[in-house]
Amino acid sequence: GAVVSQHPSWVICKSGTSVKIECRSLDFQATTMFWYRQFPKQSLMLMATSNEGSKATYEQGVEKDKFLINHASLTLSTLTVTSAHPEDSSFYICSAVVERIGGYTFGSGTRLTVV
Amino acid sequence: KQEVTQIPAALSVPEGENLVLNCSFTDSAIYNLQWFRQDPGKGLTSLLLIQSSQREQTSGRLNASLDKSSGRSTLYIAASQPGDSATYLCAVRPIGAGTALIFGKGTTLSVSS
Repeated sequence: GAVVSQHPSWVICKSGTSVKIECRSLDFQATTMFWYRQFPKQSLMLMATSNEGSKATYEQGVEKDKFLINHASLTLSTLTVTSAHPEDSSFYICSAVVERIGGYTFGSGTRLTVV
Repeated sequence: KQEVTQIPAALSVPEGENLVLNCSFTDSAIYNLQWFRQDPGKGLTSLLLIQSSQREQTSGRLNASLDKSSGRSTLYIAASQPGDSATYLCAVRPIGAGTALIFGKGTTLSVSS
């Protein structure tokens, strides 16, 4: 149980276009969703925290106009990378708290390549 | 500010060995601690979750301990197998609602056959 489904698993897009990544909690309600990015051989870097029905809170240095986060329901959060550039190429992962156990579950990640 | 450190950063062992991965954290005020496994290019898989009131958790060949007062946790892997090769991440959940996990940088394990 406590699965977060993340799509797509990989995407290649042209520079200047936008890409949307979706994370759905399949068997629980995700009041809070966390979005991370990860560069090769590095640990996860928290980008933002989103709460259902309210604006996301971004970490210092993360451009909120570039990385648009929407958490319109208790089971769906999306991250849109707008006007993507090659430096946005990275591995993006979402995570949610599973309140009934107090632990966190993670999506399978999205490999974004901007060409 | 909570900091999580994992030692060693990398570890190579032959198949069959028992091994210990270490995790330390600077602030003992945690809600719980979670060990994850990450395979290259993949998401994180939760291995064990230890609540702050617990001392250890076991799952199959894995055993994780928690000494909250000293800010330490260990992940013990018995009879290692090549399929155990992955990066192991330790993460603490701070006390407070809606808080993100704080991760260590991980230990990359390689088990040779």
